[in-house]
Amino acid sequence: GAGVSQSPSNKVTEKGKDVELRCDPISGHTALYWYRQSLGQGLEFLIYFQGNSAPDKSGLPSDRFSAERTGGSVSTLTIQRTQQEDSAVYLCASSPRDRAMFFGPGTRLTVL
Amino acid sequence: AQSVTQPDIHITVSEGASLELRCNYSYGATPYLFWYVQSPGQGLQLLLKYFSGDTLVQGIKGFEAEFKRSQSSFNLRKPSVHWSDAAEYFCAVGSSGTYKYIFGTGTRLKVLA
Repeated sequence: GAGVSQSPSNKVTEKGKDVELRCDPISGHTALYWYRQSLGQGLEFLIYFQGNSAPDKSGLPSDRFSAERTGGSVSTLTIQRTQQEDSAVYLCASSPRDRAMFFGPGTRLTVL
Repeated sequence: AQSVTQPDIHITVSEGASLELRCNYSYGATPYLFWYVQSPGQGLQLLLKYFSGDTLVQGIKGFEAEFKRSQSSFNLRKPSVHWSDAAEYFCAVGSSGTYKYIFGTGTRLKVLA
């Protein structure tokens, strides 16, 4: 069965460039989450979607970060003018009504 | 303040030995509790969850956890560890009415042959 998928799996970019990270949730899951995991750190909540709306964007680190979700399905996390401190693994998760989150494999972002 | 504490950053056990990973939480509402496992280079896999009912929860891969409200704990156990269990384990807490789950900082498990 299809789980949560994320693309790309790895992304290397130069400082100042924009990047887009994609998440395909499990079909039928209404909730979608983005987390960030930095080396040696725990999971940092970024944003939550219920359907296409994002009631809580408070976890986004700065206004360089934005996310959208279309059709209640695919979500894109965009980081503009990347900085070295943005280097991390970005994890997407989706959840059905029972609230257990299912995570994708992550996108490892390296900003040079 | 709401928090999850995993007191052990690293744990090393021998293959075949029993395992207990500790998780303590501070949470105002009735908690939903989860354990996830992350193998190197992988995402997080749900091991088990507790919402209500029986406080002893069975999960995948032979893991179980017990919710102890009086101790604010949700410790993960396995009677006999396999080398493939070497990974990082995360405890998380949430509740009905909130979507923002709080994760512990993880416990890295090493298994000796």
